[in-house]
Amino acid sequence: DAGVIQSPRHEVTEMGQEVTLRCKPISGHDYLFWYRQTMMRGLELLIYFNNNVPIDDSGMPEDRFSAKMPNASFSTLKIQPSEPRDSAVYFCASSSDAADRTDTQYFGPGTRLTVL
Amino acid sequence: DAKTTQPTSMDCAEGRAANLPCNHSTISGNEYVYWYRQIHSQGPQYIIHGLKNNETNEMASLIITEDRKSSTLILPHATLRDTAVYYCIVRIRGNTGKLIFGQGTTLQVKP
Repeated sequence: DAGVIQSPRHEVTEMGQEVTLRCKPISGHDYLFWYRQTMMRGLELLIYFNNNVPIDDSGMPEDRFSAKMPNASFSTLKIQPSEPRDSAVYFCASSSDAADRTDTQYFGPGTRLTVL
Repeated sequence: DAKTTQPTSMDCAEGRAANLPCNHSTISGNEYVYWYRQIHSQGPQYIIHGLKNNETNEMASLIITEDRKSSTLILPHATLRDTAVYYCIVRIRGNTGKLIFGQGTTLQVKP
């Protein structure tokens, strides 16, 4: 299995632009998580989905952030408009209630976002 | 979720055992202890978890005290590739139990 796949790996954009981060979870996993990591705040959970339905988005910082999961194999995290303080590494993770390691979260390699 | 307390940093000699402590004095009866690590520039990686019994897998051992207020992650023969930030997390089982990452312990394995 290829693991969790994220794209792009690096993104540099200018303030005010729209940014879309993409994630493909491990096949068969029914939970998908989006995290953000910064030096100041560490690793924070933004939102998670179960069976493509958003369950808890209490970590989403503000309305500029939105996340979707149109099907079991794809999710997006969108920032519009982007601001310099959104610069961070964004991780996607997936897990399953049915796997041998129930509830173990498998993380992708992350997307490093820089907003100038 | 219960809070955890870990030392900010530790050093370990290559080939020796690395013992990483974690305090979780307010852990609830239904909360498990999980350990993840994050190697530089990579996503976090699951290591091990346990409730009250000691656990061992191919990566590490987890020793939980009888009162469950603290635990120790043991890497039996640390290598340079084990240099990472190690996170101790307490949470309920199941995917609805959030992983709340603290600051973790930065383990530096030295040759």
